[in-house]
Amino acid sequence: GDSVTQMEGPVTLSEEAFLTINCTYTATGYPSLFWYVQYPGEGLQLLLKATKADDKGSNKGFEATYRKETTSFHLEKGSVQVSDSAVYFCALRGRGGSQGNLIFGKGTKLSVKP
Amino acid sequence: EPEVTQTPSHQVTQMGQEVILRCVPISNHLYFYWYRQILGQKVEFLVSFYNNEISEKSEIFDDQFSVERPDGSNFTLKIRSTKLEDSAMYFCASSERQLGLGYTFGSGTRLTVV
Repeated sequence: GDSVTQMEGPVTLSEEAFLTINCTYTATGYPSLFWYVQYPGEGLQLLLKATKADDKGSNKGFEATYRKETTSFHLEKGSVQVSDSAVYFCALRGRGGSQGNLIFGKGTKLSVKP
Repeated sequence: EPEVTQTPSHQVTQMGQEVILRCVPISNHLYFYWYRQILGQKVEFLVSFYNNEISEKSEIFDDQFSVERPDGSNFTLKIRSTKLEDSAMYFCASSERQLGLGYTFGSGTRLTVV
């Protein structure tokens, strides 16, 4: 079945460092891909999305490109801030069967130090 | 910005007891979902609900689970006889359309079964 694998955390970076959180997926067809973020004490918030190959999702300085050839959707940010400290979840939604349901990775905790 | 509200934020219950987790979805949303995350593991789909009936459920959602929309605003998840392994963070979500990309999650209820 469909699945998402993302890099294990925690990831600790200094402010202004470059961030990459790897995400790869297994799915039949062409899923939609998402990154969600969970700040401490809050719910899951949609950070960015991409619905087809080569699409780039971007928001708040974060970017991720839908790479069909490598089945990846890596999250990047050029210069992280302390306020980016959160847990980041990669997710997909398939186009067959369970079309409304999200399949998540385990989440990667990011801590940014001043 | 509209929110999905979950109560309580944390519930502790004894094994074998019934618990009801409550959610107030966004008022004009039509599709409702429950997900859970066991500590350190993936966020997993439990059930989706539309038009006052379950539209899809996962293998996790067995006979001890039930969902209900008792009035026009609440969406509840009942666990009939809790087990230790039900301890998890439970997330409610709602969306305007099943195939839409706009999922809104609540901040979760942490259920601890002792």
